[in-house]
This record gives sequence, structure tokens and C-alpha cells, in this order.
Amino acid sequence: IAGITQAPTSQILAAGRRMTLRCTQDMRHNAMYWYRQDLGLGLRLIHYSNTAGTTGKGEVPDGYSVSRANTDDFPLTLASAVPSQTSVYFCASSGSRGGGDEQFFGPGTRLTVL
Amino acid sequence: GQNIDQPTEMTATEGAIVQINCTYQTSGFNGLFWYQQHAGEAPTFLSYNVLDGLEEKGRFSSFLSRSKGYSYLLLKELQMKDSASYLCATMDSNYQLIWGAGTKLIIKP
Repeated sequence: IAGITQAPTSQILAAGRRMTLRCTQDMRHNAMYWYRQDLGLGLRLIHYSNTAGTTGKGEVPDGYSVSRANTDDFPLTLASAVPSQTSVYFCASSGSRGGGDEQFFGPGTRLTVL
Repeated sequence: GQNIDQPTEMTATEGAIVQINCTYQTSGFNGLFWYQQHAGEAPTFLSYNVLDGLEEKGRFSSFLSRSKGYSYLLLKELQMKDSASYLCATMDSNYQLIWGAGTKLIIKP
């Protein structure tokens, strides 16, 4: 693994189904993030984690949950998917959450909820 | 409220110079980032400004005026590979990045 990876690359999901998007980084970064990107809108933060064992809510957390059991992994779960959750999801990580630490992004997961 | 404004789309010619502007209003300010995003790919970091002035990095430069809530990204000697979206983001008082919708830059030969 080099950097930050996400799985799956894309997924079509029936409404009401549960789905977990996976994210793994090998940079030993403390902070991790989940964003969604929709056409015409900026990236919007869903949830974040400052360090393993802690999580926080971002701008659009409803319908999503996260966990941070260890430094490397930060899965995002949609408990019961709805069509408005159709989006491209990016996971990112940075050395720390504050200051000028750049965020490194995974390749994204394109999710379609029908 | 928090708001980031940047032009939706710009067109420039290969070899020329282009300036992409970004204006912002955020709750607190802990710096401004520029990212590049090619179509279908992830954003990648270009620059970070926290103090007023110009930061130069090769063909790319970024400027910040905190009093005016204004930044720009300057791209010189444009190449076809510079065709991408350029995302402006500010870090607010909670260390959360607030992102603009991005400026799609089209480079013509």
C-alpha cells in the first residue's frame, strides 16, 4: 500500500441497504476525514477523526457513521442508504488536523443509490 | 455564514498566464489552501498560505490578503496538463476546511 486507498471504486446500491466504504492509509497520519463531492458544490466534510479512538461530526453527518479503531483504518457506514447519498466519497488523511498540514486524498468511491 | 466564492470556469491559452481568484468569509481563519483536481481523480495539494503575501512554487504562485478575504492562484507558462479544476479552501476556527466549488480551467492550444 502506498498512501491512502479506498474500496470499492464504485458501487450501485439499492435504497435501504447498508453499506461500508473502506479507507486505509499507511502514512501513520493521526487525522482522517470523509468528504462527499457533488456536482456544483464544494467538498463537504461528513466525519473526521483527530486520532485513533476519537471521531467528530462534520458539516453533513446525518445518515453516516464512522469508527477509528486504529491509526490506519477509517470506515464510513451508511446504515440505510437513500438516493440523496448518491455522490463521490473521498477519504483523506493528514499528519494533524490543525495548521498547514496538507490533506492527502484517496482515489474516491463513486456511489449510486437507486 | 461561511462562504467561498470562485469562478465556475475559465479558459486560457497554452503558454499564457492565468489568475484564479477566491474570496472567502469564514468563522475564524487558520489559513487558505489550493488544490488541483483532474477530472475523475482525487484532489492534490498545491499551496498553503496563512500570512499575507505571495508564495511562489515553480510555475504556480498563491497570494493571500487576509484583510480583504481574498486569494488568487497564478499559473504561468500554461501546459495542457494544467487543464483541471482548482479548489480553494479555508481552514476555520475549528480547523475544518471549508471548500469552494472549484474553478474548471480549460487550456486551449
